[in-house]
Amino acid sequence: EVQLLESGGGLVQPGGSLRLSCAASGFTFSNFAMSWVRQVPGKGLEWVSEISGRAGSTYYADSVKGRFTISRDNSKNTLFLQMNSLRAEDTAVYYCAKERWEITDGTFAIWGQGTMVTVSS
Amino acid sequence: EIVLTQSPATLSLSPGERATLSCTASQSVSSYLVWYQQKPGQAPRLLIHDASSRATDVPARFSGSGSGTDFTLTISSLEPEDFATYYCQQRSNWPPTFGQGTKVEIK
Repeated sequence: EVQLLESGGGLVQPGGSLRLSCAASGFTFSNFAMSWVRQVPGKGLEWVSEISGRAGSTYYADSVKGRFTISRDNSKNTLFLQMNSLRAEDTAVYYCAKERWEITDGTFAIWGQGTMVTVSS
Repeated sequence: EIVLTQSPATLSLSPGERATLSCTASQSVSSYLVWYQQKPGQAPRLLIHDASSRATDVPARFSGSGSGTDFTLTISSLEPEDFATYYCQQRSNWPPTFGQGTKVEIK
């Protein structure tokens, strides 16, 4: 069974940093692109970042470019999102999502349960 | 970026009724349109990709249609477990963008 388990969320002050992790199981991790998508509770979905299966290509939403870094460790089947210079508007549930192919194609086939990030003083 | 507008915002129906949800793109996305279902407290679930292809294990009562700028998700006969919020998403142009959602609620 394909599973994605996010961790690393929490309460952080504006300007602070957090590192989210997503542990994957049930599939050959390196064969699939992965994404982070966020959702303000009660609101809609916003794509944040994606990375190809072999980590050769990364992409970011303009709202996080220069502050967030996506990476992956294929030997440990884990996806990461390093978030720096956090702002109140980054407060959201962060989901990791498995895409359909090794290259990024923007179809989020399987989602984790999410981890909540709250940016507040 | 491409803006997706979903209508209606809320759809109040009874079990057994037909649900028709719309998604309109601000410019053509060809057939690169995806639908997700989200229940309260849960992650989204992929329903339809490439406008009309059902994802694995999605019941046949869910169908998608359309191309270009106008798309429809149809649930032929609502089951109790179908009451949820549905989002469309385009993957034609970077960045991927989502509609604001349509909530299907029990009448």
